[in-house]
Amino acid sequence: AQSVTQPDIHITVSEGASLELRCNYSYGATPYLFWYVQSPGQGLQLLLKYFSGDTLVQGIKGFEAEFKRSQSSFNLRKPSVHWSDAAEYFCAVGGTTDSWGKLQFGAGTQVVVTP
Amino acid sequence: NAGVTQTPKFQVLKTGQSMTLQCAQDMNHNSMYWYRQDPGMGLRLIYYSASEGTTDKGEVPNGYNVSRLNKREFSLRLESAAPSQTSVYFCASSVEGWEQYFGPGTRLTVT
Repeated sequence: AQSVTQPDIHITVSEGASLELRCNYSYGATPYLFWYVQSPGQGLQLLLKYFSGDTLVQGIKGFEAEFKRSQSSFNLRKPSVHWSDAAEYFCAVGGTTDSWGKLQFGAGTQVVVTP
Repeated sequence: NAGVTQTPKFQVLKTGQSMTLQCAQDMNHNSMYWYRQDPGMGLRLIYYSASEGTTDKGEVPNGYNVSRLNKREFSLRLESAAPSQTSVYFCASSVEGWEQYFGPGTRLTVT
């Protein structure tokens, strides 16, 4: 069965420091991969997506993610975080013909940004 | 362009009561989805509608029904609410399934 794991439930980072959020997946085929961000009390906003091609993808708000097939990972990075990046981040996976449109979400990583 | 809208924003129900959560999108998207979000569990798909006139079960459909009223609207109904259905409910839409746009959510408490 497919699964998505975000190993870090909670991360605290200083403003201006770099951030990396981990995502590992278990999937039978080449997946479609997504990162979403949820600010407090809000819905989810798509940060970036990977379907195929270049394994380093750029997203909005200065985020990027790298797909590593050998490690079944799709980690999210930002070189320098801003206080407004405090939010919950979700990795999501989809892509088999049997589950068209069905995204499997990880449990989320809560990011706290300190001054 | 409001995107995906959901009503109500908050709701408190007693066990056994029924209610319908409403969702509408103005992006001319074909597909619509209902998720529930519980702490530590991410989002889980309840039902989805790949196109107008079709609906399919997701991961956690028990206790829920849906109606794709037209291309814009997709409602979620709880016929007999249970405390286990206390959650935050999100509606989403997409053109072809993968890049999904989410509404602001409905916080439902069942006592």
